[in-house]
Amino acid sequence: DTGVSQDPRHKITKRGQNVTFRCDPISEHNRLYWYRQTLGQGPEFLTYFQNEAQLEKSRLLSDRFSAERPKGSFSTLEIQRTEQGDSAMYLCASSLRQGGSPLHFGNGTRLTVT
Amino acid sequence: LAKTTQPISMDSYEGQEVNITCSHNNIATNDYITWYQQFPSQGPRFIIQGYKTKVTNEVASLFIPADRKSSTLSLPRVSLSDTAVYYCLPGGSSNTGKLIFGQGTTLQVKP
Repeated sequence: DTGVSQDPRHKITKRGQNVTFRCDPISEHNRLYWYRQTLGQGPEFLTYFQNEAQLEKSRLLSDRFSAERPKGSFSTLEIQRTEQGDSAMYLCASSLRQGGSPLHFGNGTRLTVT
Repeated sequence: LAKTTQPISMDSYEGQEVNITCSHNNIATNDYITWYQQFPSQGPRFIIQGYKTKVTNEVASLFIPADRKSSTLSLPRVSLSDTAVYYCLPGGSSNTGKLIFGQGTTLQVKP
């Protein structure tokens, strides 16, 4: 399978714990995106990378959130000191850099904070 | 970044043609218009993309008027499996890769 893969698919954690998610994009894609989605809402932009550079980060992303893409391939999203409001689906997508290149999404990591 | 407006929900019956219109009044000159489909517990999936006039592929058609301030996704002869949320997403022209989703249109296909 050469699509975008995300790991884990589901994560249940207790409030205050740290969690880390991984995304493996399509190999030739140099852009990688993270989105968050809650029930009934569209995906909410968090951040995106072009190769290893994090080019934009949503103001909605508090200091507890950090994302990396160290070698321009896979990416990790870490949430520190999780809160119940962090419960959501975290989606990763990748694309080519060319204008209008469509996003290819993974199936997300479902986070539940208890 | 262009803001989009779509109907929140639509109902249809199997076999009918469904048209979903999206408004994007402040679309940038070089933005493309891309439509995605999303099923529960899955990421959005690319359906179709266009810049102007009409584009057709094996699953849908996309109509874009000359002023490009709106676009219409047309799904021919829908089936129950087309029940999903549909998003339009203008973008791709600016230096920023930031792409903003709206709330989408929930299409319910009934037997």
